[in-house]
Amino acid sequence: DSGVTQTPKHLITATGQRVTLRCSPRSGDLSVYWYQQSLDQGLQFLIQYYNGEERAKGNILERFSAQQFPDLHSELNLSSLELGDSALYFCASSTREGRTGNTIYFGEGSWLTVV
Amino acid sequence: DAKTTQPPSMDCAEGRAANLPCNHSTISGNEYVYWYRQIHSQGPQYIIHGLKNNETNEMASLIITEDRKSSTLILPHATLRDTAVYYCIVRVDDDYKLSFGAGTTVTVRA
Repeated sequence: DSGVTQTPKHLITATGQRVTLRCSPRSGDLSVYWYQQSLDQGLQFLIQYYNGEERAKGNILERFSAQQFPDLHSELNLSSLELGDSALYFCASSTREGRTGNTIYFGEGSWLTVV
Repeated sequence: DAKTTQPPSMDCAEGRAANLPCNHSTISGNEYVYWYRQIHSQGPQYIIHGLKNNETNEMASLIITEDRKSSTLILPHATLRDTAVYYCIVRVDDDYKLSFGAGTTVTVRA
């Protein structure tokens, strides 16, 4: 158990709909990352937040948005869903660990199926 | 981040050591070498990381060459549960994202 919690674990929705994926980082972690993994595809970085502020942005579609709240949990909002958005969405978290490195820990993912 | 090169796949016999190579010839002095693995459709699992020195933990050992251009992850006694995709990633410290490549698909056979 990495300590990163994601909900829901599975979600089925129709095209055109909007969903929200939720992530609770490890206790004390300030950074949250979102990744997408489509079937037989690699892990694609979407976006990173650090202590409530956007830190880095990857290949995130305009239909997708994210935020990190004051209690440090994060939500990934996916709107106008298309069949191609079906994927595993992973949240990860990290915190500064000084000179020993800054390890990123992943949750178990939210499996989104768009029908 | 520096790019890494890993073999696409490798087999390993159960109970034997698995040695997973990774080339990172353009690594910078402030970049760490991280190893993760992903067992089918589960979240990537952190294994180990290092900067210059060899590292060992309860899961694996990481051997980094003196010039830091390559490294080897060693799973000392592979089990069937070690079957997974293993990713070698180099990244700077300071809260920066991980960039995943294709990794090495390791199959442990009985």
